[in-house]
Amino acid sequence: SYDLTQPPSVSVSPGQTARITCSADSFLNQYTYWYQQKPGQAPVVVIYRDTERPSGIPERFSGSSSGTTGTLTITGVQPEDEADYYCQSGDNSGSSVVFGGGTKLTVL
Amino acid sequence: QLQLRESGPGLLRPSETLSLTCAVSGAAISSSAYFWGWVRQPPGKGLEWIGSIYYSGSIFYNPSLESRVRISRDTSKNQFSLTVKSVRAADTAVYYCARGVSYSGYDHFFDSWGQGSLVTVSS
Repeated sequence: SYDLTQPPSVSVSPGQTARITCSADSFLNQYTYWYQQKPGQAPVVVIYRDTERPSGIPERFSGSSSGTTGTLTITGVQPEDEADYYCQSGDNSGSSVVFGGGTKLTVL
Repeated sequence: QLQLRESGPGLLRPSETLSLTCAVSGAAISSSAYFWGWVRQPPGKGLEWIGSIYYSGSIFYNPSLESRVRISRDTSKNQFSLTVKSVRAADTAVYYCARGVSYSGYDHFFDSWGQGSLVTVSS
């Protein structure tokens, strides 16, 4: 099976930069996507196609991808950014969707 | 404005069959190049993709669930459905339906989600 590994938790103080990684067990042939999920709510995409930001998502959210790792960066973290973040990619065939295990971002 | 709304039984006993429906408004599920998918989330755990149906009717499943699940659609009602056979406690989860967007082949992500439907499997 194709797995995506994320750190279980990341903690930062307000105004600092948070980086959440998503490591694949083989080269990331497909795009990486990132979702934010707050308690009791459905996920919301914050980054698509590795680096693209949907309209309405603050500029402090950015994404990058290289080799087997995708990274979500939140520059100048705000208290409202506290949430679970999930990466998503596809297997090498492109016909399966795979989610990472999720990372809980805590804003201290 | 696109809206997706799940409907389902809420509570099932082990070995029963789960049937969920996602009613879509604001877009036709068969006339645009979108995917329509199911994702579940057990309480306190992460997201798991179940499967997606393409607007053309092609269906893609999570290999780990493929033997027990089936996705279908009713274009006349603009809705798609999920069936899970022989449910067990591990199938307890919030089930989301969502619209998938693709920029490359069958690779897709979900840009619009329903509010989710909690399904509990318990004897």
